[in-house]
Amino acid sequence: DGGITQSPKYLFRKEGQNVTLSCEQNLNHDAMYWYRQDPGQGLRLIYYSQIVNDFQKGDIAEGYSVSREKKESFPLTVTSAQKNPTAFYLCASNSGRAADTQYFGPGTRLTVL
Amino acid sequence: AQSVAQPEDQVNVAEGNPLTVKCTYSVSGNPYLFWYVQYPNRGLQFLLKYITGDNLVKGSYGFEAEFNKSQTSFHLKKPSALVSDSALYFCAVRAGSSASKIIFGSGTRLSIRP
Repeated sequence: DGGITQSPKYLFRKEGQNVTLSCEQNLNHDAMYWYRQDPGQGLRLIYYSQIVNDFQKGDIAEGYSVSREKKESFPLTVTSAQKNPTAFYLCASNSGRAADTQYFGPGTRLTVL
Repeated sequence: AQSVAQPEDQVNVAEGNPLTVKCTYSVSGNPYLFWYVQYPNRGLQFLLKYITGDNLVKGSYGFEAEFNKSQTSFHLKKPSALVSDSALYFCAVRAGSSASKIIFGSGTRLSIRP
């Protein structure tokens, strides 16, 4: 899983709560990404950031928010507006150059109770 | 628009036999192609990538992939499968621009039977 850490590993949320998933990298990468993976499914891009203090919506940004105040950190908040948040969330990073490998964290499994 | 297809949801192979996991892509310009593996409840691990040069790329755990420009394919192969190769495999493509996003296929579950 390289130099990317995600916490917590498991997270339980009650209906109507906001929760924040942590993602930290020590790879000195400029670009960071959040993906959602549903059981037996591929990856869907939620948000990405190519540089500090800037980020863009991915394919399924509704109900999620992010910030990029530091190069090493890209936290994801799952808001109460996300109607079906139960999923496996993956954070990734790379240098930002197209040919460079994207490295992934170990993931956070979010379950709504 | 970029796209990548993994036409098989599942591939079943006997241990010791060769395996192939298929991937085709569509991208404007030169493609950068990647293969990743995912074990249960884990993040994706990088296996190999094609950027330029030799069409046959060798990667981790004895895997290799062949870039075929005319067929727009990048199939993952291994000469002799191991039970421990059982996992979910993702192909990904990115156009040759730092502004482009990496696009992942839907994944292929590889099952190796003893």
